[in-house]
Amino acid sequence: EPEVTQTPSHQVTQMGQEVILRCVPISNHLYFYWYRQILGQKVEFLVSFYNNEISEKSEIFDDQFSVERPDGSNFTLKIRSTKLEDSAMYFCASRGWAGANVLTFGAGSRLTVL
Amino acid sequence: AQKITQTQPGMFVQEKEAVTLDCTYDTSDQSYGLFWYKQPSSGEMIFLIYQGSYDEQNATEGRYSLNFQKARKSANLVISASQLGDSAMYFCAMREVLTGGGNKLTFGTGTQLKVEL
Repeated sequence: EPEVTQTPSHQVTQMGQEVILRCVPISNHLYFYWYRQILGQKVEFLVSFYNNEISEKSEIFDDQFSVERPDGSNFTLKIRSTKLEDSAMYFCASRGWAGANVLTFGAGSRLTVL
Repeated sequence: AQKITQTQPGMFVQEKEAVTLDCTYDTSDQSYGLFWYKQPSSGEMIFLIYQGSYDEQNATEGRYSLNFQKARKSANLVISASQLGDSAMYFCAMREVLTGGGNKLTFGTGTQLKVEL
């Protein structure tokens, strides 16, 4: 069964450092997403991406964050100048086409900022 | 704005019994979708079941069924014949269609289910 692959599974970084989280969505999917889950809390929407541009972003997704799809397969989330409160599980998700209902999530990347 | 409410932070069920996890929602949209995802202790998010707002029949997927009551704005998940492997966090979520055609999911706070022998 096709799956969304995320790397790394866990990253520990020092406050102020830049982090790049990588995702390989399902190959024929067109819509891509990042969500965040702070430990013990609910999953929150960060950003959606379609046709090589951001289609919507939440108020969490400020100038510290950026996304790109550099090569047609990878979908990355960059977090600049990390803060302690950025520690969370970050989920990538993809969806096939406009009429498809289901978002398929990756296994997540756990980010720990020290 | 859309809102999902899960009022049961934790639930216990005996193995082989059925359990219902509650979810209520609030939206002004006429067209929407409701999802349940399972999150085991390993952390991944696993899709379980989907119900569209215009679907006349309740969705079923194996041991999972969604009790959709539109007038009451509820979308409860029913797990029949519980298994030890069902122990996990369960999230109810609602889809909002974005202007660009993408979907955004709004999640509830989750229900931690523990299946006991």
